[in-house]
Amino acid sequence: QSALTQPASVSGSPGQSITISCTGSSSDVGSYKFVSWYQQHPGKAPKLMIYEGSERPSGVSNRFSGSKSGNTASLTISGLQAEDEGDYYCCSYAGDSTFYVFGTGTKVTVL
Amino acid sequence: EVQLVESGGGLVKPGGSLRLSCAASGFTFVGYNINWVRQTPGKGLEWVSYISSSSSYIYYADSVKGRFTVSRDNAKNSVYVQMNSLRAEDTAVYYCAREGPSGMTAFDYWGQGTLVTVSS
Repeated sequence: QSALTQPASVSGSPGQSITISCTGSSSDVGSYKFVSWYQQHPGKAPKLMIYEGSERPSGVSNRFSGSKSGNTASLTISGLQAEDEGDYYCCSYAGDSTFYVFGTGTKVTVL
Repeated sequence: EVQLVESGGGLVKPGGSLRLSCAASGFTFVGYNINWVRQTPGKGLEWVSYISSSSSYIYYADSVKGRFTVSRDNAKNSVYVQMNSLRAEDTAVYYCAREGPSGMTAFDYWGQGTLVTVSS
């Protein structure tokens, strides 16, 4: 099972919106609603930002939103802030044989 | 407060073995599925293994199948992964991660990770 494809880096100025794509296949992203997104700061554990494609856990800012179309999921960060800098990973459930597959990761830089 | 604490990492020679532990607290452990996820230094995340709340279902990534064995002891609020026949490519930070409640199918809490280095 190959990793889901994400852009290596995305950048934006404070206050802008950015979108990170996550492209999989009909075996994972395209077949299940269970796409999640994680934020990771250097030296820290990942933090859940979005689950089931578009749901936000309690405590996560509403500046983070998720969507899915076909085999591609997306994470949008609106009103970009300096604290949003970090690495972002998508993850999809992929059925009983593969179970979970992560994306390649995207480094977000706030200019 | 939900906490997951990994331990057992260290330096091991290729072909060697290591057992990692994940101690949970702050929630009703018996009700949650637990996963192991690893991260190669400077690189991305890779799902490694899943164990259901009652140990009825266990899954592994192809890269570790046949070499890693996951188990849990609900009386001790702990999950373990026995790693055998270790290879250089198994070098990574290993995280245990809880699947969220009510079939969330995402990892809502993570430990701080434990580093495994496989090198001669």
